[in-house]
Amino acid sequence: EIVLTQSPGTLSLSPGERATLSCRASQSVSSNSLAWYQQKPGQAPRLLIFGASSRATGIPDRFSGSGSGTDFTLTISRLEPEDFAVYYCQQYGNLLWTFGQGTKVEIK
Amino acid sequence: QVHLQESGPGLVKPSETLSLTCIVSGSSISSGYYWGWIRQPPGKGLEWIGTIYHSGDPYYNPSLKSRVTISVGTSKKHFSLKLSSVTAADTAVYFCARTVDYDVLTGSRGYFDYWGQGTLVTVSS
Repeated sequence: EIVLTQSPGTLSLSPGERATLSCRASQSVSSNSLAWYQQKPGQAPRLLIFGASSRATGIPDRFSGSGSGTDFTLTISRLEPEDFAVYYCQQYGNLLWTFGQGTKVEIK
Repeated sequence: QVHLQESGPGLVKPSETLSLTCIVSGSSISSGYYWGWIRQPPGKGLEWIGTIYHSGDPYYNPSLKSRVTISVGTSKKHFSLKLSSVTAADTAVYFCARTVDYDVLTGSRGYFDYWGQGTLVTVSS
């Protein structure tokens, strides 16, 4: 089973700043099988990025994904007030799905 | 518009079986998607439970495999989750989600593109 480790656990930033979230896998992940989600309190997760770098429908272009192998990154170029939330990475391989433990982006 | 809605008891006694249904609209379960269940204990992260294709075998999280059954309804308009021998550790918000097995445009695989709103199931006597 592939374990995903996200860092940092919490990111304290101000609106307008750049956020860089990391997702590291315990073994190599196919780039086309890595996704990112945003979750706000009391809501279901929302798909942001799939295939490591493709934005889901309706996702603003300030969100971007990159990486390959065992290291993946979600970047929010300029934080908007609505971007403060918890972010999860997720991978799929060999008929198993796993999630990272999440990174909370909070207002500084 | 794709819509998923979980339904089932919000309270289950320890050692009993948790049963939830996900009603799907705006997308056919018989289309080329997989259908999955994910849970989230209060204040914690997401845990994949299992996934099923309408005409194939289900796939389960190894840590839950001995207690989980996922099936597609005969009407092909809903799919279900059963989790047996529950304990307080199974208290969580349970989500159902549509799973893209393969996106022909990007070659991307295995992501959850539509989610239900989630339903809280508490295990308590």
